[in-house]
Amino acid sequence: AQSVTQPDIHITVSEGASLELRCNYSYGATPYLFWYVQSPGQGLQLLLKYFSGDTLVQGIKGFEAEFKRSQSSFNLRKPSVHWSDAAEYFCAVDRSNDYKLSFGAGTTVTVRA
Amino acid sequence: DVKVTQSSRYLVKRTGEKVFLECVQDMDHENMFWYRQDPGLGLRLIYFSYDVKMKEKGDIPEGYSVSREKKERFSLILESASTNQTSMYLCASSTRQGHQPQHFGDGTRLSIL
Repeated sequence: AQSVTQPDIHITVSEGASLELRCNYSYGATPYLFWYVQSPGQGLQLLLKYFSGDTLVQGIKGFEAEFKRSQSSFNLRKPSVHWSDAAEYFCAVDRSNDYKLSFGAGTTVTVRA
Repeated sequence: DVKVTQSSRYLVKRTGEKVFLECVQDMDHENMFWYRQDPGLGLRLIYFSYDVKMKEKGDIPEGYSVSREKKERFSLILESASTNQTSMYLCASSTRQGHQPQHFGDGTRLSIL
């Protein structure tokens, strides 16, 4: 069965510093991968998605992610974080191409001034 | 813009009550989903519907049922609420055209006393 691992439960970063959130998946074929963000009290908002092609994908809010097949990873990055980036981030994979998603446990990002 | 609306943001019910959570989407999406979100566990799929009157069990369907009488509306039913069903519930929808991302509502925080 497909699974998603987000190794970091919580990350604290200074405003203006770079951010990288890790995501590893287990899946046999080329997966469909997503990153979502959840601000406090809100639902999930799509940041970006990877289906095929260029392994570096750009998303909203200045985020990007890189798909590395050899490492089964899809890490999310932002060069310079803003206080409004404080949120919980979820990596997800489309399992077995059946429209259902498997989610990681999430990484909470705290931004300090 | 895509809109998924959950009828209640906060709900408090008593043990043994029958509880209805409603979700409406305005994108004419075929797929609709109900998830449960708990700290450290990410999102877990309760039920999935791919068409009117069609439903499929997700990973944790026990204690829940669903209803989809109209394409735009997907209801989650707790037949006899228990305290271990206290959680955040998220509804999502997606199209069946390609592997497009799911769109989420803002969630319902349900407390069972």
